[in-house]
Amino acid sequence: DAKTTQPNSMESNEEEPVHLPCNHSTISGTDYIHWYRQLPSQGPEYVIHGLTSNVNNRMASLAIAEDRKSSTLILHRATLRDAAVYYCILGEVDYGGSQGNLIFGKGTKLSVKP
Amino acid sequence: NAGVTQTPKFRVLKTGQSMTLLCAQDMNHEYMYWYRQDPGMGLRLIHYSVGEGTTAKGEVPDGYNVSRLKKQNFLLGLESAAPSQTSVYFCASSSRRVLTFGAGSRLTVL
Repeated sequence: DAKTTQPNSMESNEEEPVHLPCNHSTISGTDYIHWYRQLPSQGPEYVIHGLTSNVNNRMASLAIAEDRKSSTLILHRATLRDAAVYYCILGEVDYGGSQGNLIFGKGTKLSVKP
Repeated sequence: NAGVTQTPKFRVLKTGQSMTLLCAQDMNHEYMYWYRQDPGMGLRLIHYSVGEGTTAKGEVPDGYNVSRLKKQNFLLGLESAAPSQTSVYFCASSSRRVLTFGAGSRLTVL
C-alpha cells in the first residue's frame, strides 16, 4: 500500500495561513489524495480530496505537485477550532473491498496559538 | 439527519466478557467500517463491509466479529474481551471517496 509521510506536529498563529505538507512518493496513478482531520475527542471528519488538479472547498485548499509525489493542505486563516490532527491518506477511486481501504497514519498535530 | 450513530459511547468490561457495539447510518451508504484507535496512534481498520450481508477482514481483525444483516447497521462483537482490546472504536460509512465517522465508543477492558 502506498504510504504518506507527514510532520508529527506543527504550530500556527490564529488568523494566519497554515500549510500542512504531505509526501507520497510511491503514489499510483489511481490513488486519490484525501485529507481528514480529527478534533479532540471526536471522530475524524472529511476535509478535502483530489487526484491531479488543485482543489478548493469551504474548509481548505489542496495543492498537488505536478508529479503528484507531494501535496499541501492549506488552511487560509487558522482558527482555534482548527487545532486537530490532520491525516493525509491515499486511496483508490472506490473504497470497496480490497480496492481502497484508507490507511490512517499518525497524522500531523496542528496547534493554533491565539 | 443523524449521520453515523454509535452505541454505547462508553463501556467497561471485565476480561472474558462479551459485548456488541452497534453502528447505524441513515445515509444509505453501501460501505461501512470499524476502526480502532489507541493512544498516539492512527486508526487501524478492523473489519469492513461492502454491502448488506457481506463482511471482510481489515488490518487487525483478530478477536472481533462483525455482522451486516441490514444495510444501515454494522455490528462489532467481542466474544471474549481482553485488556489489549481497550481502545476507542470508530465506525464509518461511505459513498464513493468520502468517509463519514461516528463519534466513537470508548471501551475499557479490566
